[in-house]
Amino acid sequence: DIQMTQSPSSVSASVGDRITITCRASEGISNYLAWFQQKPGTAPKSLIFGASNLQSGVPSRFSGSGSGTEFTLTITSLQREDFGTYYCHQYNSYPFTFGGGTKVEMK
Amino acid sequence: QVQLQESGPGLVKPSQTLSLTCSVSGGSIDNSDYYWSWIRQSPGKGLEWIGFLYYSGSTSYYNPSLDGRVVISGDTSTNQLSLRLSSLTAADTAVYFCAREFYGVEAISGVDTASYWGQGILVTVSS
Repeated sequence: DIQMTQSPSSVSASVGDRITITCRASEGISNYLAWFQQKPGTAPKSLIFGASNLQSGVPSRFSGSGSGTEFTLTITSLQREDFGTYYCHQYNSYPFTFGGGTKVEMK
Repeated sequence: QVQLQESGPGLVKPSQTLSLTCSVSGGSIDNSDYYWSWIRQSPGKGLEWIGFLYYSGSTSYYNPSLDGRVVISGDTSTNQLSLRLSSLTAADTAVYFCAREFYGVEAISGVDTASYWGQGILVTVSS
């Protein structure tokens, strides 16, 4: 299985901050990577597909980059509604796998 | 707007078989642009991909970590997706989600790339 390692596991930030979350794949996955945001008690929400394509309706402060084994999700000017847990998800090789999550908390 | 809704028992006994249904509205499960997946999340833990059904061609793939205990099927007459997971143990206690996934890497004209998930259903395995 391809292991997806996210860092950091948690980050404490303030409204207006810029944060970057890294996701590393144990082997190359081209750009078959998605990012999800999850808030407590709700289903994950897709933010990005294909490593860098923003889903419709997702604010432009979110961006994704990377290819191969290293990927990043960047949130510029963090907003209150952005707090939650973020997961990367590879869909290049079976079985598809998720990262362990990065919890974005308010400082 | 595509909507998915999981239904099924909230409590099942160890060794029994879990059967969940995902009712889909706003889109057909035999649309060849999409994959119909089940994902689970153990309490306080991360996400585990269970498998998918790709109805055009009736292709399915399951996570080997489930040791052959899982079957995903679809019924186009009711537009529902089903999950069966057998030989349950406490380790199968989780929130189960169904989802419609695009699984592409680039936007395609006329194709909605959005990922739609149900609200999830908590299944507890306990005697």
